Amino acid sequence: KAGVTQTPRYLIKTRGQQVTLSCSPISGHRSVSWYQQTPGQGLQFLFEYFSETQRNKGNFPGRFSGRQFSNSRSEMNVSTLELGDSALYLCASRGGTGPQETQYFGPGTRLLVL
Amino acid sequence: AQSVTQPDIHITVSEGASLELRCNYSYGATPYLFWYVQSPGQGLQLLLKYFSGDTLVQGIKGFEAEFKRSQSSFNLRKPSVHWSDAAEYFCAVGASGTYKYIFGTGTRLKVLA
Repeated sequence: KAGVTQTPRYLIKTRGQQVTLSCSPISGHRSVSWYQQTPGQGLQFLFEYFSETQRNKGNFPGRFSGRQFSNSRSEMNVSTLELGDSALYLCASRGGTGPQETQYFGPGTRLLVL
Repeated sequence: AQSVTQPDIHITVSEGASLELRCNYSYGATPYLFWYVQSPGQGLQLLLKYFSGDTLVQGIKGFEAEFKRSQSSFNLRKPSVHWSDAAEYFCAVGASGTYKYIFGTGTRLKVLA
């Protein structure tokens, strides 16, 4: 079974631009979560989507948004980029129920804002 | 407030030595606990998880962790470290049905040959 895939793997943007990152979850998984990882703040939860609905949201400004499609693929968008948005963005796909619930992470998209 | 503390930012051990990485959590409900490992430039790989039952859980790559409710701890152990274990290790806590995992700040492991 293929793992979580994220595209692109690397991205360079300038301040003020917007960016869209893509995540394809493990086949059969309906939940996709997004995290931002930075050296200063560590891993921070952005949001979670399940069956095309946002179920949980972290403490990030409205510039950060996401969506999920009917095939469970998800995109996150960051508008009006700031230097502080430079980070590794990780997508995680969740499967199983109860004790079998597990969240699997993709390799991440590294975003550099200049 | 929910939180995860990994008190050791860096740990250095010699190859073949034993390893223990500490994790303490604060969580209102019965937590689900996880350990993930991240190699440089990579995503997070799940090492092991605890949901309920036996408090000693076995994971991949020879790792194990013990859940101690009285101490709110979930320490990761390995009896003999290999050079390939050098990476950053993250402890996380969550709850069933909600995937807002809370991660610790990570412990970076260095292995000396």
